[in-house]
Amino acid sequence: GNSVTQMEGPVTLSEEAFLTINCTYTATGYPSLFWYVQYPGEGLQLLLKATKADDKGSNKGFEATYRKETTSFHLEKGSVQVSDSAVYFCALSDHSSASKIIFGSGTRLSIRP
Amino acid sequence: GAVVSQHPSRVICKSGTSVKIECRSLDFQATTMFWYRQFPKQSLMLMATSNEGSKATYEQGVEKDKFLINHASLTLSTLTVTSAHPEDSSFYICSAVPTSGGFYEQYFGPGTRLTVT
Repeated sequence: GNSVTQMEGPVTLSEEAFLTINCTYTATGYPSLFWYVQYPGEGLQLLLKATKADDKGSNKGFEATYRKETTSFHLEKGSVQVSDSAVYFCALSDHSSASKIIFGSGTRLSIRP
Repeated sequence: GAVVSQHPSRVICKSGTSVKIECRSLDFQATTMFWYRQFPKQSLMLMATSNEGSKATYEQGVEKDKFLINHASLTLSTLTVTSAHPEDSSFYICSAVPTSGGFYEQYFGPGTRLTVT
């Protein structure tokens, strides 16, 4: 079945450091891929998405590229801020099941001032 | 923006009792809502799909008689954990899909922490 694997946390970085959170997926067909973010005390929010191979999703300085050849969707940001501290979830949606989302285990990111 | 609330945010109940968790879309209508369960340091596990006015669709392995879902209006879905046991202790999260929204729109509630003693 479909699944998402992402790097375990927690990840702790200093402000302005470069961030990469790895995510790989297993799916039949051509899923859509997502990164969700959960800030402390809040619900999950969609951070960015990509719906087909080679698409790049971007938002708030974060980027991720849909790589079909490596079945990956790694999240990157060039210079993190303290306000980026949150839990990040990689996810996919199988188009055969409208709106159903399969999540990775989440990666907690902490940024030091 | 679209807001989804859950009530209560935390609940402690005794083994054998039932607990109801509410999920509300505050500023939009949602024909479809999802219920997830999250164990510590694990991913969100989809439990069921709730459609307004019809029976919920449960994922494989989820006991429908234990986790009762009612979606009686376009802004409210409830999850009732019946005869709760300590193993039901978990973090329950709902999400709502706007009726008028696009395929990928889905808004999440902040979650409910259930502890069964």
